[in-house]
Amino acid sequence: NAGVTQTPKFRVLKTGQSMTLLCAQDMNHEYMYWYRQDPGMGLRLIHYSVGEGTTAKGEVPDGYNVSRLKKQNFLLGLESAAPSQTSVYFCASSYSGGKFRSEGANVLTFGAGSRLTVL
Amino acid sequence: QKEVEQDPGPLSVPEGAIVSLNCTYSNSAFQYFMWYRQYSRKGPELLMYTYSSGNKEDGRFTAQVDKSSKYISLFIRDSQPSDSATYLCAMSPYNFNKFYFGSGTKLNVKP
Repeated sequence: NAGVTQTPKFRVLKTGQSMTLLCAQDMNHEYMYWYRQDPGMGLRLIHYSVGEGTTAKGEVPDGYNVSRLKKQNFLLGLESAAPSQTSVYFCASSYSGGKFRSEGANVLTFGAGSRLTVL
Repeated sequence: QKEVEQDPGPLSVPEGAIVSLNCTYSNSAFQYFMWYRQYSRKGPELLMYTYSSGNKEDGRFTAQVDKSSKYISLFIRDSQPSDSATYLCAMSPYNFNKFYFGSGTKLNVKP
C-alpha cells in the first residue's frame, strides 16, 4: 500500500522555467490537496480538489495551476517559476465517502514532499 | 488573527519527561481534531485524531479536546529521543473538507 506518492522528490529550476509536480494516491480518496511549507509559516494550502475534474483555490494560489483529470492523480504546475516559490511542497488526500462521515474518515494522509529550489 | 494558534517552541525536555503540546482555535465549527508528527525532511504523519470533545489514548500518547475553551492538547508520557520531531495540530469542520493547521511545535527529547 503506497499511500500518497509525490514525484519528483527534488528539483532545481531557474527563474522563468516551468515544471509539474505529480501526486498519486491509491486509497480511492475523493479529496486531494497541495500545500507548501516554509520555515515559520507552517502549511499553507495552494489548491485543492473535491473530486475528479474539480479544482479550487486555497490560501496561496497565485503562480500555480492544478488539474485533476483522474481521481488518483493531482498535478501542480508552475508556469513561470519565481524564487519566492522555493519551498517544500506536500500533497495530501482524504476520504469523504457517503452522506455521513464516520470517525476517522476526515483525516489527511500526506506524501513525503517535493523540495523545489528556484534560482 | 490566525484560526489556529500553536506555540512554535522549540521545546526541549529530558528523556522520560511528560510533554504537553497545545493549540488554541477560534472557529467553533471545528469538529475534527488531529495531531501530526513530522520528522525532519519528511512528510507529516497522522498521530492521533478525535471527533468532537473528549480524550483519546493510544499508548504513550493522549489527545484531549476542550471545545468550551477551544483548546486541544497532546500529552506524551515517558518521552523518548525518537519523539523528537515537529508536532502539528490540525482541525476541520464537520461538513467541509478543509483543514486548518497550527504552525507546529518543535520538540527535542534529550537522552
